[in-house]
Amino acid sequence: GDSVTQTEGQVALSEEDFLTIHCNYSASGYPALFWYVQYPGEGPQFLFRASRDKEKGSSRGFEATYDKGTTSFHLRKASVQESDSAVYYCALGETNSGTYQRFGTGTKLQVVP
Amino acid sequence: DPKIIQKPKYLVAVTGSEKILICEQYLGHNAMYWYRQSAKKPLEFMFSYSYQKLMDNQTASSRFQPQSSKKNHLDLQITALKPDDSATYFCASSPTGISNERLFFGHGTKLSVL
Repeated sequence: GDSVTQTEGQVALSEEDFLTIHCNYSASGYPALFWYVQYPGEGPQFLFRASRDKEKGSSRGFEATYDKGTTSFHLRKASVQESDSAVYYCALGETNSGTYQRFGTGTKLQVVP
Repeated sequence: DPKIIQKPKYLVAVTGSEKILICEQYLGHNAMYWYRQSAKKPLEFMFSYSYQKLMDNQTASSRFQPQSSKKNHLDLQITALKPDDSATYFCASSPTGISNERLFFGHGTKLSVL
């Protein structure tokens, strides 16, 4: 079945550091890929999506490029701020039933001033 | 204003009891979902409904039963509660229910089973 892997459970950075959170997937065809962000006490919020190879998604300074060759959708930001501290989830649109999204395990980002 | 309302925000239950988690969405969407988040399995898909019909069920236990009385409602009934059911339950919605649509999540109901 489809799966999403986020290798970093936690990432600690200083403000203005460069961020990379890795996301790899396994699925048939071209699943839609997503990034969501979750702040404490809230539900996940959609960041952006990409649906085809080489498509770049972006929002609020975050970006990721759909790479079918390496089956990846890594999240990057050039300069993080303390307000970016949150949990980030990579997700894919399930290709078998096509009716729901499967989430990775999440990466907790902590940014210190 | 929150567009997806989940009630209650916190819920404490005793083992063996039954509870209903409420979800209403005011986005005009036709698809609704339940996800569960716990320390063991973050954001695990449970059910998807589209036009009030069950589309997918990835929950092994029949103790979890979704109930859709109206197009914009998807409640979750949990019977014979166990401590392992302790988690935050998130309701979500999307326009039509295909997997490439962005999801909109509620704030969740945190369930603690003693």
